[in-house]
Amino acid sequence: KAGVTQTPRYLIKTRGQQVTLSCSPISGHRSVSWYQQTPGQGLQFLFEYFSETQRNKGNFPGRFSGRQFSNSRSEMNVSTLELGDSALYLCASSFSGRPTDTQYFGPGTRLTVL
Amino acid sequence: DAKTTQPTSMDCAEGRAANLPCNHSTISGNEYVYWYRQIHSQGPQYIIHGLKNNETNEMASLIITEDRKSSTLILPHATLRDTAVYYCIVRVEDTGNQFYFGTGTSLTVIP
Repeated sequence: KAGVTQTPRYLIKTRGQQVTLSCSPISGHRSVSWYQQTPGQGLQFLFEYFSETQRNKGNFPGRFSGRQFSNSRSEMNVSTLELGDSALYLCASSFSGRPTDTQYFGPGTRLTVL
Repeated sequence: DAKTTQPTSMDCAEGRAANLPCNHSTISGNEYVYWYRQIHSQGPQYIIHGLKNNETNEMASLIITEDRKSSTLILPHATLRDTAVYYCIVRVEDTGNQFYFGTGTSLTVIP
């Protein structure tokens, strides 16, 4: 079974631009979570989607948004990019998102904002 | 807020068992303990998880104390490829599906 895939793997943008990152979960998984990882803040939860609905959200500004499609694929969007948005963005999928479900992570998208 | 406490770093000799401790003194009765590891700039890799009983799989063993306030991840025969940051996570059930990763333990396996 194929793992979680994320595209693109690397991205360079400039301040003020917007960016869209994509995540394809493991086949059959309906929950997709997004995390941001920076050297200073570590791994931080952004949001989780299940059956096309945002079910949970972390403490990030409204510039960070996401959506999930009927095939469970998910996208996250960051508008008006700031230098501090440079990070590794990780996507994780699980079958239903219950606490007993294991989350499997993708390789991440490395975003650099200049 | 991370609900776990781990040592910042540890060393282990290649071929020896690596024992990584984790304190989760505020854990609730229905919260699972998960362990993940992250090799430099890759996505976190699932290792093992447990609720009350000790667990073992092909990668590691998880020992949870009877009061569930702490646990130990054991890599039985550490190799150089086990050098990574190891995260102990308590699933925060009352806030949905998110993981709080904390700062983890940086394990270095020494030849």
